[in-house]
Parts: sequence; C-alpha cells; structure tokens
Amino acid sequence: DADVTQTPRNRITKTGKRIMLECSQTKGHDRMYWYRQDPGLGLRLIYYSFDVKDINKGEISDGYSVSRQAQAKFSLSLESAIPNQTALYFCATSDGGPTTGELFFGEGSRLTVL
Amino acid sequence: GDSVTQMEGPVTLSEEACLTINCTYTATGYPSLFWYVQYPGEGLQLLLKATKADDKGSNKGFEATYRKETTSFHLEKGSVQVSDSAVYFCALSDQGGSEKLVFGKGMKLTVNP
Repeated sequence: DADVTQTPRNRITKTGKRIMLECSQTKGHDRMYWYRQDPGLGLRLIYYSFDVKDINKGEISDGYSVSRQAQAKFSLSLESAIPNQTALYFCATSDGGPTTGELFFGEGSRLTVL
Repeated sequence: GDSVTQMEGPVTLSEEACLTINCTYTATGYPSLFWYVQYPGEGLQLLLKATKADDKGSNKGFEATYRKETTSFHLEKGSVQVSDSAVYFCALSDQGGSEKLVFGKGMKLTVNP
C-alpha cells in the first residue's frame, strides 16, 4: 500500500458542486500539504498543516478550504467548484519541511469541473 | 519573488544518450535546490538536492551541482535508460523556514530503446 493515499483518483463534477479530496498517510509525518499541478505551470501550494491545530494558507488558497482531522488525514474541499479548478491535485507529507526533509507525494487526484 | 526557470521540453532521447536539463533560479538569500521526478501515473519523488553553494547532489546516476555564481542547478546523466522516462521538476526552497517550494514548469523526457 502507498504511504500517501489520495481519494478519489479521478473525479468529474459540475460547476457549483462541492467536492472533497481526501488524503491519508502512514508515514507518521506531522506536516501535510496540498498542491495543485497545471500543465506548463509546475506545482503550486494551496494549503499546508504542521499539525492538527495548525493550518496555513499557501500561494493559491482562494476557493479552497482544508481540514486536518487527525495527524494522518488532511482533506481539501472546493465549496463551489469552477472550471478553472480543473487540475491534478497532490497531497504530500514531510517530517521536516521542504528544506530539511523530503516531501512524499501521493499519486494525485485528477479533478475535472465542467 | 523567487522563481525557477527550466527547460520545458518535451525531449526524446535514445537509450545511452547524454542528458542535461537546464535549471536557473532567482531568489533572495541562499535557497536549497532540488530535482523531483514524476514517473507516469505517480506522484513526485525527490531525486536529489543541494543545500549550499558548490554542493553536488547525486542519485540513480543523475547529478546536479549548486552553482551560485551562475544561479544554476543543471541536471545531468551520462547514459539514460528507458526507465528514466518521466517528468523532471527543478525546485527551490528558501532558507527562511518557509514551507513553500517553488517549482519549475517541469520537463517531460522520453527515452526510446
């Protein structure tokens, strides 16, 4: 089983619908991240969390919210999806932040908003 | 703000060819530099990193040297294999404790037998 598991792997939805992407990890890391990947744009940070009580906005948090239900679980929500949120979303974990530690990524959740 | 510029490709090589993927950066201070690789259908994984000037990161036959004078971190491999087919991302992280990794746009490499 993967250390960082994302569900669903693929989702097609309509504009205005609420969508939740879930991430769970077995690595025991405190830090968890949500990134968005768009073709030709690399990855951009949406939200990150140092622990259950510590949630922080990344560079593109507008239109998204997150919930850290437990050390091992970090969910990303789109309250009212719009077409420009169509992207590949990655969850990642780390035990020391990107400078001192390695980021471990899930396999990605591909979201299409029609 | 901080930024990373890398070759975008796509690039197609024959097996055993030499590979260089250029990466240059703009940053205040002294960032750490990374190469991440994304194999088909998978998430990204760390390939190598360097945390200070003149450091050389290496892994799986790949190498990259942190060149402060040219603000570069080019990825090299002397002889690529079919299994190296993937998307390669250059990234930087500042030393100020920020959680933000700044990624380049990624370069898709295909290696043919």
